[in-house]
Amino acid sequence: GAGVSQSPRYKVTKRGQDVALRCDPISGHVSLYWYRQALGQGPEFLTYFNYEAQQDKSGLPNDRFSAERPEGSISTLTIQRTEQRDSAMYRCASSPRGGNEQFFGPGTRLTVL
Amino acid sequence: ILNVEQSPQSLHVQEGDSTNFTCSFPSSNFYALHWYRWETAKSPEALFVMTLNGDEKKKGRISATLNTKEGYSYLYIKGSQPEDSATYLCAFHRGSTLGRLYFGRGTQLTVWP
Repeated sequence: GAGVSQSPRYKVTKRGQDVALRCDPISGHVSLYWYRQALGQGPEFLTYFNYEAQQDKSGLPNDRFSAERPEGSISTLTIQRTEQRDSAMYRCASSPRGGNEQFFGPGTRLTVL
Repeated sequence: ILNVEQSPQSLHVQEGDSTNFTCSFPSSNFYALHWYRWETAKSPEALFVMTLNGDEKKKGRISATLNTKEGYSYLYIKGSQPEDSATYLCAFHRGSTLGRLYFGRGTQLTVWP
């Protein structure tokens, strides 16, 4: 069975551009989470969904960051007007209904020049 | 700010040595404690999800204990092997913010042959 997949794996963009990062959760997983990980740090929570409903977006750093999961499966994290400080590894995770364990994807390495 | 502390930050041991590291977390509003093993350029791999005070879990040569009253968990590796080299992350799962994991910075383990 396939794990969580993310695309692109690497994204280099210029400051001021918008980027969209995609997450495909494990089939059937109802919860989906976004984290950001800086070098030498543990993942830092951004937001999460149960089905298509965004349950908690308190970790989004500012209003340039948004996420959606319109059909309760694939999710997109969008960063508008990127800044150099947005450079990080963006990780997605999913979990099944009633499960505590979060299964992580390989991440998207975002570099803003 | 919710602090999850891991120590030591890094550890170098010889093949065959046994080792352990610590994760400390808030003792209030506890829901679960997660341990992940993470190799660079790979997805974090879930090792244990621990929910009950006094829990002990084991997976091969790796085991973990949990003390929710004092807010700490130990991860033990018996007879370390070079393939155990990785970063070990713990994450606190709080009862009032289900879905969101609070990660420590990890302990980076290097096992020399």
